[in-house]
Amino acid sequence: NAGVMQNPRHLVRRRGQEARLRCSPMKGHSHVYWYRQLPEEGLKFMVYLQKENIIDESGMPKERFSAEFPKEGPSILRIQQVVRGDSAAYFCASSLGVSSEAFFGQGTRLTVV
Amino acid sequence: GDSVTQMEGPVTLSEEAFLTINCTYTATGYPSLFWYVQYPGEGLQLLLKATKADDKGSNKGFEATYRKETTSFHLEKGSVQVSDSAVYFCALSETYGQNFVFGPGTRLSVLP
Repeated sequence: NAGVMQNPRHLVRRRGQEARLRCSPMKGHSHVYWYRQLPEEGLKFMVYLQKENIIDESGMPKERFSAEFPKEGPSILRIQQVVRGDSAAYFCASSLGVSSEAFFGQGTRLTVV
Repeated sequence: GDSVTQMEGPVTLSEEAFLTINCTYTATGYPSLFWYVQYPGEGLQLLLKATKADDKGSNKGFEATYRKETTSFHLEKGSVQVSDSAVYFCALSETYGQNFVFGPGTRLSVLP
């Protein structure tokens, strides 16, 4: 059983471009979480999704950021019009459901130049 | 809101030294507590966990005990190895395993 898969592992974007980060949860997992890790800092919660629903987006910036977890396919974190401050590692985690352990992917390292 | 505080690093130890990384938390409810480890260039791996007071999590020689009275979950290892060099994150979750609140991380370097 493959773990949580994130791609790409590394992504370079110029300022103003869009970044799309993908997360395929573990098989059977219907809950997905996105976290952002700024350099030399801990992980900050961004958003919690279930299939086709956003459950908690309290950590998501109000502008330029969006997330989805469609019925079919991976979860997508989209950052529009990227700025240098968006450079960070973005981690995805998945779980079976409430009160189940979450497992983390290896992250996508976004660099905005 | 909930928060996690860890001792600041970096921590540098010689091989076979004793390790303690302090972690304290504040939470509105009764959280589960976790230690995650991040090796260079990698994602987070769960190291150990505890879900109720006085529980002791252990793995790979690391231990941590859930102390509700002191709201602490200090990580310890009796004899560190060079391969333990990594960043260690303390975390809590009000709903077991979900919506983690992470500490800032403590970087450990073990010298041969």
